[in-house]
Amino acid sequence: QSALTQPASVSGSPGQSITISCTGTSSDVGGYNLVSWYQQHPGKAPKLMIYEDIRRPSGISNRFSGSKSYNTASLTISGLQAEDESVYFCCSYAGRNTFMFGGGTKLTVL
Amino acid sequence: EVQLVESGGGLVQPGGSLRLSCAASGFSFSRYWMSWVRQAPGKGLEWVANIKEDGSEKNYVDSVKGRFTISRDNAKNSLDLQMNSLRAEDAAVYYCASGWLPFDHWGQGALVIVSS
Repeated sequence: QSALTQPASVSGSPGQSITISCTGTSSDVGGYNLVSWYQQHPGKAPKLMIYEDIRRPSGISNRFSGSKSYNTASLTISGLQAEDESVYFCCSYAGRNTFMFGGGTKLTVL
Repeated sequence: EVQLVESGGGLVQPGGSLRLSCAASGFSFSRYWMSWVRQAPGKGLEWVANIKEDGSEKNYVDSVKGRFTISRDNAKNSLDLQMNSLRAEDAAVYYCASGWLPFDHWGQGALVIVSS
């Protein structure tokens, strides 16, 4: 059970857009519409940002959007703000009622 | 307001046991799958185990099978994780989380340190 692959870090300036990728296989990311994304500030619990590949929970800014192509899911944050600086994790269903997280991506707002 | 509050973390020797608990409030606990997710210091998240709404189905990551047991008490709105034969690599912050996927609410975590 290997973790999903995310870039270790990404960065962008305020107002710009960034995209974080999450690569798995046809047995997880590509096999189900069940990728979710979580934001985690230092010392805090993760917070759900996107679920079922593209859906946004109520209360989450529409600056956050999800997409997927084959075995790679992506989280895009548009109009970057200072408070978006955080670590982002993807998670996918991996079959047989098990789940797999990505290694996390640290977003720096320059 | 949904609240998940973990307790029971602490320092344990390798080979020892520890029981974590999670007290839930603010939602219909008995209608949700529940999970434990852990995070080793400075590392990423790892799903550990989950349990069906009525407790009839339990699933575990391979690395803890046979050592950890997840359980719940719907009458008390509580979730437990019994951890036996603990190893250094089990040291982490353990979060309880509600939902099957996504994990829509998380507790603040309980720190487990495994060291002699």
